[in-house]
Amino acid sequence: KQEVTQIPAALSVPEGENLVLNCSFTDSAIYNLQWFRQDPGKGLTSLLLIQSSQREQTSGRLNASLDKSSGRSTLYIAASQPGDSATYLCAVRGLGTYKYIFGTGTRLKVLA
Amino acid sequence: GAVVSQHPSWVICKSGTSVKIECRSLDFQATTMFWYRQFPKQSLMLMATSNEGSKATYEQGVEKDKFLINHASLTLSTLTVTSAHPEDSSFYICSARDLLAGDSHEQYFGPGTRLTVT
Repeated sequence: KQEVTQIPAALSVPEGENLVLNCSFTDSAIYNLQWFRQDPGKGLTSLLLIQSSQREQTSGRLNASLDKSSGRSTLYIAASQPGDSATYLCAVRGLGTYKYIFGTGTRLKVLA
Repeated sequence: GAVVSQHPSWVICKSGTSVKIECRSLDFQATTMFWYRQFPKQSLMLMATSNEGSKATYEQGVEKDKFLINHASLTLSTLTVTSAHPEDSSFYICSARDLLAGDSHEQYFGPGTRLTVT
């Protein structure tokens, strides 16, 4: 059974810092991995999607890497801003399924 | 881009009543929709997979008689919480998979519905 864990659970940093969010999964047989952002009381915003054959994806100040064999992904946020404050979720989709298993989330707060 | 809507965005109901939540794909057809539940400060948990024209597939531990899912068209799936109780209070999010996008396509998520049962 796939389990997805995110570390840290919460993070508070001053504005401008570069930061790394971690996601680990127990079953490396994945189809892809996706990072989402969720603002309080809101739905999900897809940030980056990495296919199992890819090593990383980049969008603006965000960079996500994937090491499938070790069951890890990282989300790198450069030059953090207060507007980046949100909960970040990673989710993995297994082979032969369209289901996503979500991680426990990292609550990020960027201080001005 | 593809848009998924949910209605209502929030609802308050009394214990023992039933409430229906709609999930619509606005600009694409979705043979498969997924229903997730999120309790406060927790992650999303998949409840069920909704298949157009057939019965939904429920995850282990989810009561199919309590959470009724109907996917009568390619653009609409509904989740009915029957005889709701305060412990059913949660954030319900749906996602939809584009029929024409092939296997590689990803799901589009709705904005969620906050249910409060008093």
